[in-house]
Amino acid sequence: DGGITQSPKYLFRKEGQNVTLSCEQNLNHDAMYWYRQDPGQGLRLIYYSQIVNDFQKGDIAEGYSVSREKKESFPLTVTSAQKNPTAFYLCASRVQGEGYGYTFGSGTRLTVV
Amino acid sequence: EDKVVQSPLSLVVHEGDTVTLNCSYEVTNFRSLLWYKQEKKAPTFLFMLTSSGIEKKSGRLSSILDKKELFSILNITATQTGDSAVYLCAVVSGSARQLTFGSGTQLTVLP
Repeated sequence: DGGITQSPKYLFRKEGQNVTLSCEQNLNHDAMYWYRQDPGQGLRLIYYSQIVNDFQKGDIAEGYSVSREKKESFPLTVTSAQKNPTAFYLCASRVQGEGYGYTFGSGTRLTVV
Repeated sequence: EDKVVQSPLSLVVHEGDTVTLNCSYEVTNFRSLLWYKQEKKAPTFLFMLTSSGIEKKSGRLSSILDKKELFSILNITATQTGDSAVYLCAVVSGSARQLTFGSGTQLTVLP
């Protein structure tokens, strides 16, 4: 079945550590997105990528980094520079063009301990 | 900066009630407006609206867009406890078609 796989589902990080959240899709979608959700809030865009080897900052990119070396994969690294990383992270993908078929992964809940 | 505002932030009703959720937006290069239902994890798609005045309907849920007033509403009739969730409004804009989300409306339906 086609879809987006995010891993791990739960992640605990000590302060000062970098962690990488995985996002893999087998939908052959061109565009991929990372969103962050805090309690009681909507989703905010961190980074997005429309094609391989290219990505753009979203509204809250500070303290995060991404790569897009393969079409299927768009990992997100939460660096130690991110001051408040505890949140729910969602990855999404979409086919390029006028179609708006966004598909979401099931999310990763990151907690700093 | 693109902005999407939802109201109310939370709503508590009893089963059988009808609710109306609101979404207003200010974005550059609007393409469409999406409604999602989020229970625990990933949002699930409800509606996509691109044209003004055309109601989209799915069972007890319906939605309409007003592109002149930059506004959309989501109606749920005869609510059930299973409708309890956060309802998110998102606007698709720009060449990258990224989503800008509102903060959501937390709907609680009591038996």
